[in-house]
Amino acid sequence: GENVEQHPSTLSVQEGDSAVIKCTYSDSASNYFPWYKQELGKRPQLIIDIRSNVGEKKDQRIAVTLNKTAKHFSLHITETQPEDSAVYFCAAFSGSARQLTFGSGTQLTVLP
Amino acid sequence: SQTIHQWPATLVQPVGSPLSLECTVEGTSNPNLYWYRQAAGRGLQLLFYSVGIGQISSEVPQNLSASRPQDRQFILSSKKLLLSDSGFYLCAWSVQGTNEKLFFGSGTQLSVL
Repeated sequence: GENVEQHPSTLSVQEGDSAVIKCTYSDSASNYFPWYKQELGKRPQLIIDIRSNVGEKKDQRIAVTLNKTAKHFSLHITETQPEDSAVYFCAAFSGSARQLTFGSGTQLTVLP
Repeated sequence: SQTIHQWPATLVQPVGSPLSLECTVEGTSNPNLYWYRQAAGRGLQLLFYSVGIGQISSEVPQNLSASRPQDRQFILSSKKLLLSDSGFYLCAWSVQGTNEKLFFGSGTQLSVL
């Protein structure tokens, strides 16, 4: 089955700096890659996603890049703000298994 | 629009007591339904998923069970809770046939003492 690895597990950045979270996946049949943000005690919420026919997608300060050949994708947050502090999960949807597999999460802390 | 309701928000239960968490989805029909558990500081562990009434797939063997008595209702149960059952339980749904985008409920913080 699909295996998703996510790094780093914790990340601290100064307000205004950029943050990058990386994920790798194992199933070459995976074709959809969402990112979820979970604030403390709250539900995970979808913040951005990308499909395998696209290399990059941007939404204001958030961008996701995908390298299908290397089987890795990354979340980029620019001009970080304290409200960006949360746990971020990457996931990969395998067309063969028809299930989302989540990474282990990254605790992002933006220091004021 | 679609909404997902999950309750209760918090629950404190003694070891050995039963458990029943309920989740309902509105505004869609025949959704895929999921139960996830999240231990403190950990990732999302898929417990059960269902593609239709009475159809339950278990991902992790444990003393929990799930049922789907109605199309948009998903229930997580246990006959006797263990200390290790403590955690944040999340219900989620996705559109039937796509399984891609998951929409999560607000979660239940379960503490077993």
